[in-house]
Amino acid sequence: EVQLLESGGGLVQPGGSLRLSCAASGFSFSTYGMSWVRQAPGKGLEWVSVISNTGGTTYYADSVKGRFTISRDNSKDTLYLQMNSLRAEDTAIYYCSRGAMSSGRFDYWGQGALVTVSS
Amino acid sequence: DIQLTQSPSFLSPSVGDRVTITCRASQGISSYLAWYQQKPGKAPKLLIYTASTLQSGVPSRFSGSGSGTEFTLTISSLQPEDFATYYCQQLKSYPLTFGGGTKVEIK
Repeated sequence: EVQLLESGGGLVQPGGSLRLSCAASGFSFSTYGMSWVRQAPGKGLEWVSVISNTGGTTYYADSVKGRFTISRDNSKDTLYLQMNSLRAEDTAIYYCSRGAMSSGRFDYWGQGALVTVSS
Repeated sequence: DIQLTQSPSFLSPSVGDRVTITCRASQGISSYLAWYQQKPGKAPKLLIYTASTLQSGVPSRFSGSGSGTEFTLTISSLQPEDFATYYCQQLKSYPLTFGGGTKVEIK
């Protein structure tokens, strides 16, 4: 059974940093591109970032470019999102998902990690 | 960036109704479109990909069609468990984008 389990969410002050992790199981992690998608309270879905299966290629939404860094450790079957210079508008549930443009779909999603940016 | 516009943004049908949701892309995306269902407090669930391919395990009352710039998601006979918010997503080019969502509420 495919499972994605996010961790690392929490309350952080504006300008602070946080790192999210997503532990994957039930599939060959190193063969799939992975993405982060977020959802602000009461709002729609916003794609944040993607990383290729090898980690060699990454893309970001303009709203997080230069502040967030996606990475992965295929030896640990884990996806990461390092978030720096956090702003109030980054407050959201962050989902990791198995998917990328190359796969044509996001077929599995984690349960989400809540990040709240507030003083 | 490719913009996706969903319509309507809100629907209030009855159980058994046929429901159609439209997603329009700001430029041609061939068939690189997916549909998701999201229930309150839950992660999105993939329903349809490549515009018309039903994801494994999804009931056959869900179907998708379209190509280029206009796409539809159809629920042939709405069931109580289908009340949710539906999103389209384009996977033609980065940045990937989602439509604004269509909330389907019980009448």
